[in-house]
Amino acid sequence: DTEVTQTPKHLVMGMTNKKSLKCEQHMGHRAMYWYKQKAKKPPELMFVYSYEKLSINESVPSRFSPECPNSSLLNLHLHALQPEDSALYLCASSQGWIAGGYEQFFGPGTRLTVL
Amino acid sequence: SQQGEEDPQALSIQEGENATMNCSYKTSINNLQWYRQNSGRGLVHLILIRSNEREKHSGRLRVTLDTSKKSSSLLITASRAADTASYFCATDDQGAQKLVFGQGTRLTINP
Repeated sequence: DTEVTQTPKHLVMGMTNKKSLKCEQHMGHRAMYWYKQKAKKPPELMFVYSYEKLSINESVPSRFSPECPNSSLLNLHLHALQPEDSALYLCASSQGWIAGGYEQFFGPGTRLTVL
Repeated sequence: SQQGEEDPQALSIQEGENATMNCSYKTSINNLQWYRQNSGRGLVHLILIRSNEREKHSGRLRVTLDTSKKSSSLLITASRAADTASYFCATDDQGAQKLVFGQGTRLTINP
């Protein structure tokens, strides 16, 4: 199974809501990533988990809270978001934690709209 | 920043023609990768080329890397309508745990 799954596919939330994005992979990959992508822009790294531990936080606002409950799952908890947080949120995984040396497998993304 | 610059930003060609897109970066790298993204969907890995490699092939794809010029190119031969997508190069700072993506080239193949 070489697939990364993400749920939900679409999410609309108000600025006072709390919601979570979920990502799952069963490839035994030890590194997992969250990216944010705005329209016609490249993906921007948000967080990296290596061996279930947070290894990189790209100065992401605290209204985004990542969680890695186990080696297959990655969550992104959302709270008090702003309209400018509307974007495509992509999850990815790779076999190794030296990012450049391994291909990353991406999920299809969650399209988030904040009203 | 390490972020790559891609050229052209957009490219439109006829089916069957070859498409070439270029990526330039600023600092030394260990590896460079190319990804494809169909509209609004996840990225798909195409090729990884290491800093000690000059050229790599995969099917209709050919990637070159010139570390002296800090640049790479992706050539797609005999293009098909299904190749319509955005193409991104991604580089790593030596030893960095992250990839940094270039701005991307939007490729349109006209039937």
